[in-house]
Amino acid sequence: GEDVEQSLFLSVREGDSSVINCTYTDSSSTYLYWYKQEPGAGLQLLTYIFSNMDMKQDQRLTVLLNKKDKHLSLRIADTQTGDSAIYFCAESRYNFNKFYFGSGTKLNVKP
Amino acid sequence: DVKVTQSSRYLVKRTGEKVFLECVQDMDHENMFWYRQDPGLGLRLIYFSYDVKMKEKGDIPEGYSVSREKKERFSLILESASTNQTSMYLCASSRGKAQETQYFGPGTRLLVL
Repeated sequence: GEDVEQSLFLSVREGDSSVINCTYTDSSSTYLYWYKQEPGAGLQLLTYIFSNMDMKQDQRLTVLLNKKDKHLSLRIADTQTGDSAIYFCAESRYNFNKFYFGSGTKLNVKP
Repeated sequence: DVKVTQSSRYLVKRTGEKVFLECVQDMDHENMFWYRQDPGLGLRLIYFSYDVKMKEKGDIPEGYSVSREKKERFSLILESASTNQTSMYLCASSRGKAQETQYFGPGTRLLVL
């Protein structure tokens, strides 16, 4: 909703890096989030980035933010089969803590 | 750890039935949310509540209502279920501070026949 866009599918081989991309349209967004959803489960927060940052690293995860282009990416290094899931990006705005989610990218990791 | 629970993981109902989906959080969060998740559409906000007895419409409130009589509990009501309400329903909660992350329940998969 509200023009947060992601590609629907990504397939990689185990051990490769995965890059999941997201674009958003609202320049007033202050925090941007990545969530992971495993089959049959709810969403689990992976990481987030404040809009005045351009990069955040957390173990195998690297988030890059290009605020000028309103582009967010999540890089997973050394992708494992356990990383297979749907990944959602989300933005929040100063509006009762409402979040706007992308459609989700289904990551398939092949052995 | 924050825990958000939903009353059912799976539900099967008939067209026209009244359906109640319950959500409970145990972290004294001010904000609670109901989303539906459909393939290719991501999460769409149905309703949210920022305080007891307060509610705000989200992006797709038609056909739904909500109730928040206690801080920890947020109910989603389908007054007269229809087949196009077959979906996965996700509840979430967050603290009242701006930009706090949302914590999600496991979801309720509803099938309306």
